Amino acid sequence: KQEVTQIPAALSVPEGENLVLNCSFTDSAIYNLQWFRQDPGKGLTSLLLIQSSQREQTSGRLNASLDKSSGRSTLYIAASQPGDSATYLCAVKSGNQFYFGTGTSLTVIP
Amino acid sequence: EAGVAQSPRYKIIEKRQSVAFWCNPISGHATLYWYQQILGQGPKLLIQFQNNGVVDDSQLPKDRFSAERLKGVDSTLKIQPAKLEDSAVYLCASRDLGLAGVGFFGPGTRLTVL
Repeated sequence: KQEVTQIPAALSVPEGENLVLNCSFTDSAIYNLQWFRQDPGKGLTSLLLIQSSQREQTSGRLNASLDKSSGRSTLYIAASQPGDSATYLCAVKSGNQFYFGTGTSLTVIP
Repeated sequence: EAGVAQSPRYKIIEKRQSVAFWCNPISGHATLYWYQQILGQGPKLLIQFQNNGVVDDSQLPKDRFSAERLKGVDSTLKIQPAKLEDSAVYLCASRDLGLAGVGFFGPGTRLTVL
């Protein structure tokens, strides 16, 4: 069964810093990997989706990479802003299911 | 385009009581998911529908949880009777068959069982 781990569980950085969030998965047989943002009391908002054949995806200040062979993905956030404060989750698709990590709670301090 | 709607947003019940949640997916989305998210954890799939048929309910505690999707549109998730450990946020998501990712999530229903 696919296991997805996110480290660190919480991260606090000053505004303007670049940061990296990590996602690891145990089974490399995945179809895709998706990064989400979750704000308190709200559902999940998709940020980036990387297909298994891709190495990275970019959207604005966000860049997600995928190394399927090593079972890792990173989400890079450039020039962090207080509005980036949220919980970030990754999810991998294995078989017909999506498996979520436990998330990284990010706080960007003004 | 309207998003995924869920109601109620919050519910507080006593253990052993029953509760039902409702989800209205994005129009035309054939796939609908219910996830359970316990505080501090990632969402866990409870059940997946495609149109009005069940694709995967392997992680649904069928002794107390039930779900249906009549006419392949709206869906309800019921818990009867509730236990303390059912306290969680229940998320509904819907997806168009052509989409690669998980799809679009509703705001969730936060359930507290006392």
